[in-house]
Formats: sequence, structure tokens, C-alpha cells
Amino acid sequence: DIQMTQSPSSLSASVGDRVTITCRASQGISNYLAWYQQKPGKAPKSLIYGASSLQSGVPSKFSGSGSGTDFTLTISSLQPEDFATYYCQQYDSYPITFGQGTRLEIK
Amino acid sequence: QLQLQESGPRLVKPSETLSLTCTVSGGSINTYNNYWAWIRQPPGKGPEWIGTIFYSGSVYYNPSLKSRVTISVDTSKNQFSLKLSSVTAADTAVYYCARRVRYYGFDPWGQGTLVTVSS
Repeated sequence: DIQMTQSPSSLSASVGDRVTITCRASQGISNYLAWYQQKPGKAPKSLIYGASSLQSGVPSKFSGSGSGTDFTLTISSLQPEDFATYYCQQYDSYPITFGQGTRLEIK
Repeated sequence: QLQLQESGPRLVKPSETLSLTCTVSGGSINTYNNYWAWIRQPPGKGPEWIGTIFYSGSVYYNPSLKSRVTISVDTSKNQFSLKLSSVTAADTAVYYCARRVRYYGFDPWGQGTLVTVSS
């Protein structure tokens, strides 16, 4: 199985900040990586697919980059609604696996 | 707009079989390059992929659950289903169904249903 490791596990930031979350795959996955945002009691919401392509309807403040084993999700100009948990997920090979999550909290 | 909705018992006894159905609306389940998945999330933990059934009928399961899982599709009802046998308390989770298009992530997801395994 491909292990997905996110860092940090939690992050405190202020409204208006720019933050970056990292995801590392245990082996190369090309660009078959997605990012999700999850708020309490809700299903995950797709943000990014193909490592850097924005899902339809997702604001451009979210951006993704990377290929192979190292990936990043950057969120610019944080707003109150952006404070949530973020997950990366690889779909290069089965079994599909998720990172453990990064909890983004208001400072 | 494609929508998915999970349904099924919310409480299952240990050693019994968990059964859930996902109803797809706003589009056909029999669509080229559409894959239909079950994903679960134990309380306070990250998501875990359970398995995916392809539009062609091929199925992939998580090896950690493979001996207990069956995913099937009913194209006449535009539904796909999950059966997980011999459940224990460790199977207590929110169960989601979701669609994935080839080369894309999971989108959309159903709202999820909390299934509790308890006597």
C-alpha cells in the first residue's frame, strides 16, 4: 500500500494568512493526487485533483503543486470558512489511500 | 447535478452484516469512466477507502477488508450497495458513497450515514 503522510498534523493561523500543507507519498504517484476539505459533521469536499487542477467551483485561493512523491496545498488569504481539516489522497494505485489529515485552526 | 444518498440501518449487532445502499440521482450510474466507491470514516479519524465498482462491473476492494466486503450495482435502480460481514465495534464509522471520474478525485460525496455496531 502507498502511505500518505501529511505535515503538519495541526496548524494555527490567522485570518488573512497564507498557509501551506505538505503531503508525501511513500512511492511515486505521478500526479494522481487529490486534496479535500472537511468541516465537522460534513462530507469531505473535493478541492484539487491531478495534484494542481482546481475542482469546478473551488475558489482560486486554493492551489496545489507537486509530482512524484512530494505535494503541497496552499491556501491564500485565509477566511473564517477555511478553518477545517484537509486531507490528501492518492489514486495512482489500489488500495486508494488518504493522509491522516491536517487540522487548520484559528490562532 | 449529480447527487448521492446513503440509506440503510444505523445500528448493527456484532457478528452481523452491515448493508447500505447508495442511490444516485441526476445522472446515470452506467456512465463511461465513472467509478462508484464506498469510503468510511471512524469517529475522529481520517477517511478509509473500502472499495470501488467500475461502470464496467469490475470491483476493487481494500485488502484490509476484502474478505468481508461485497460491493454490487443495480443499474435498473441507479443504485450501488455495500455489504460488510462479521462486523465488530471497530466497524463503527460514518459510511460515505462517492463518485470518481477517471483521473479525478472523489466528487460528489453523499452526506454520509453513521453506522454503529453495538448489541
